[in-house]
Amino acid sequence: NAGVTQTPKFQVLKTGQSMTLQCAQDMNHNSMYWYRQDPGMGLRLIYYSASEGTTDKGEVPNGYNVSRLNKREFSLRLESAAPSQTSVYFCASSSIYEQYFGPGTRLTVT
Amino acid sequence: GQSLEQPSEVTAVEGAIVQINCTYQTSGFYGLSWYQQHDGGAPTFLSYNALDGLEETGRFSSFLSRSDSYGYLLLQELQMKDSASYFCAVMNSGYSTLTFGKGTMLLVSP
Repeated sequence: NAGVTQTPKFQVLKTGQSMTLQCAQDMNHNSMYWYRQDPGMGLRLIYYSASEGTTDKGEVPNGYNVSRLNKREFSLRLESAAPSQTSVYFCASSSIYEQYFGPGTRLTVT
Repeated sequence: GQSLEQPSEVTAVEGAIVQINCTYQTSGFYGLSWYQQHDGGAPTFLSYNALDGLEETGRFSSFLSRSDSYGYLLLQELQMKDSASYFCAVMNSGYSTLTFGKGTMLLVSP
């Protein structure tokens, strides 16, 4: 039982490059989330998926797209990376009251 | 929108008791959660309060007053391993998403 897994753990991109962050959970949760964490800013919600086949914008969706591939997998795509997207990205899934977080992806955009 | 206020930093010594406060302004409030994050790690769930009062889980307790839009996390018998960041988070309507505070860094010294 791995919980929530994320790949890659680290990534460096040049401005304008694209990439997809992968997330998978094995807890049979309906809801999944993508957050970014910047120093002093806490966790900010980018997108979420309340169930397979649905996605909704969070607080900071600009510059990102998501895909809920199936119940297990929820990916985050940066189409044209910008230095402002340098951050730590966390994926999470939830039961009703508790969110379970993956280990994070540390992304640097130069 | 949602906003949460919590102190940015708290210091304490081993064996002491510390209280981390959280005030919130929100619409569609369902409950208040607390998460712990060690440096560089994934946030982990500590507690959830939907109703007024105190919830106790081992050395940690969490309190909620809905009428005052206020809650706190109480940590007793502090240990060095409790040094971490602590986030309060409001569960939004429909149990769909969390809005996090900016976090309180707790430093426990010998």
